[in-house]
Amino acid sequence: DADVTQTPRNRITKTGKRIMLECSQTKGHDRMYWYRQDPGLGLRLIYYSFDVKDINKGEISDGYSVSRQAQAKFSLSLESAIPNQTALYFCATSGSGGPYNEQFFGPGTRLTVL
Amino acid sequence: DAKTTQPNSMESNEEEPVHLPCNHSTISGTDYIHWYRQLPSQGPEYVIHGLTSNVNNRMASLAIAEDRKSSTLILHRATLRDAAVYYCILRDNDKIIFGKGTRLHILP
Repeated sequence: DADVTQTPRNRITKTGKRIMLECSQTKGHDRMYWYRQDPGLGLRLIYYSFDVKDINKGEISDGYSVSRQAQAKFSLSLESAIPNQTALYFCATSGSGGPYNEQFFGPGTRLTVL
Repeated sequence: DAKTTQPNSMESNEEEPVHLPCNHSTISGTDYIHWYRQLPSQGPEYVIHGLTSNVNNRMASLAIAEDRKSSTLILHRATLRDAAVYYCILRDNDKIIFGKGTRLHILP
């Protein structure tokens, strides 16, 4: 079984709808991250969380919100989806802090906003 | 965050070594050099990291210049499964800042 799972894997929605993307991990990691990837570009950090009570904004948090329901779960919400939020979304986890710890990524959610 | 510069794309023949370069002339003393790769239709995966000394693991080797302003990821014997986008990243904290990476094509 995958260590980091994301649901749904694909979603098509309409402008103005509220969307929630979910991430679960079985690695027992405290740190979780949400990224988005646009075609031909690298990943950009949206939000990150170092434990259940901690939420931090990343590079591009406008238009997004997150919820850390438990150590293993980190959800990303688009309150009112717009077409330029069409992208590939990745969740990631890492263990203890520091610039040397690797991040483990989920398989991604492809979101299309019409 | 210090930036990295990588070629947009590279080609290599199967079963030959591949040297992927990365320039990071503004690297600070506390920056770790990380490499991740993203296979088609997958999330990124960790490859290797280092600080000052060259590093080897089962996937690759990382050669770091003495002045740390550049590094090279070495795949010793490329296979078709190594076709991916390779990201060179500098980290001094928990966050990863991705650039556009190098798209590696492997020719059979």
